[in-house]
Amino acid sequence: DTGVSQDPRHKITKRGQNVTFRCDPISEHNRLYWYRQTLGQGPEFLTYFQNEAQLEKSRLLSDRFSAERPKGSFSTLEIQRTEQGDSAMYLCASSGGQPPYEQYFGPGTRLTVT
Amino acid sequence: AQSVTQPDIHITVSEGASLELRCNYSYGATPYLFWYVQSPGQGLQLLLKYFSGDTLVQGIKGFEAEFKRSQSSFNLRKPSVHWSDAAEYFCAVDTNAGKSTFGDGTTLTVKP
Repeated sequence: DTGVSQDPRHKITKRGQNVTFRCDPISEHNRLYWYRQTLGQGPEFLTYFQNEAQLEKSRLLSDRFSAERPKGSFSTLEIQRTEQGDSAMYLCASSGGQPPYEQYFGPGTRLTVT
Repeated sequence: AQSVTQPDIHITVSEGASLELRCNYSYGATPYLFWYVQSPGQGLQLLLKYFSGDTLVQGIKGFEAEFKRSQSSFNLRKPSVHWSDAAEYFCAVDTNAGKSTFGDGTTLTVKP
């Protein structure tokens, strides 16, 4: 197994543009999580899926953010009308479907909004 | 809601010296506890975890951590630090909901 992968690794965009990130979890994992990490902070939970169902969204996830996991495998995170405050590392993790949910993280996508 | 505090933002130790990184959590019951390490520009790698049972847990790279319920702590230790251990370390808790709450991390610098 190759672990959790994320694409792209880096994204530079101009304010107001839309961006989409992809996460491919470990194949046998049915839970998938998105976190956001800014400089000097720990990761902050954004949302998570069990199979294709989105079970929880953080209040950090404004209506400009949307996440999908259409077939219960890979997931996408889209940010519309990006703002400079969206600049961060976006981390994806996956885990099995039973507690304890030991999460395996991908390398992250670093977003810079200019 | 649960929270995690890592009181030390930055720690510097000499290579070969021992290390202890502190982590305190706030939660009404015993959560699942994790320590992760993050190298610059990279994702997080799980070092060790506590779910139940023996309160002293062993992890990868020679790290260990001790869960102390009375102090709501889960401190990370290593008896002899190597230069390659320089990184950022995060403590996290999960209250059986599946989403983790992280501390703000401790940056470890290793002096030669």
